[in-house]
Amino acid sequence: TQLLEQSPQFLSIQEGENLTVYCNSSSVFSSLQWYRQEPGEGPVLLVTVVTGGEVKKLKRLTFQFGDARKDSSLHITAAQPGDTGLYLCAGEEGTYKYIFGTGTRLKVLA
Amino acid sequence: DAGVIQSPRHEVTEMGQEVTLRCKPISGHNSLFWYRQTMMRGLELLIYFNNNVPIDDSGMPEDRFSAKMPNASFSTLKIQPSEPRDSAVYFCASSLTSGRDTQYFGPGTRLTVL
Repeated sequence: TQLLEQSPQFLSIQEGENLTVYCNSSSVFSSLQWYRQEPGEGPVLLVTVVTGGEVKKLKRLTFQFGDARKDSSLHITAAQPGDTGLYLCAGEEGTYKYIFGTGTRLKVLA
Repeated sequence: DAGVIQSPRHEVTEMGQEVTLRCKPISGHNSLFWYRQTMMRGLELLIYFNNNVPIDDSGMPEDRFSAKMPNASFSTLKIQPSEPRDSAVYFCASSLTSGRDTQYFGPGTRLTVL
């Protein structure tokens, strides 16, 4: 089974700051997804990236898939308290199977 | 749409008891997934159904775990007998088809085995 390591594990920042979360693996993935999970709820899909080097933007969130399709990053500009949550990356291991990363728990303080 | 529905939301049981978790996927979705989430191991896929047929159960921890999908609108995950190490949040998710379709997760069932 491929492993996806996320860093940092925990991040506490002030409202308005920028941050980057990383998702790394030694294996190549066909695609990679990012989810956000809030307490007491299931993960919610934010984005799917498919092509090496691909960059997708979702309002203040920027997602990038590494050229070699082994890593990805999530950058948040001007973080807000509503961005607080657990961020999970997930790499596609098969036609239906995604391996989830270890997670980054973000807290944005007002 | 009501989304994926799971019941119960919380379950507390004693070691050795049978536990049954229930899931109603989104209407029209052909794929259903059961996951387990713990602090130590993160989110792990337990079993995947496509058109009510189990396709991959390689993530099921051991024989104490079983899952069924008798029809397109209902699935169960059963643990018998339960053990303290089974304590976790169990999620059900459904997607329109297999592949890269968006998986929609339910709210989860928090299981505590004493």
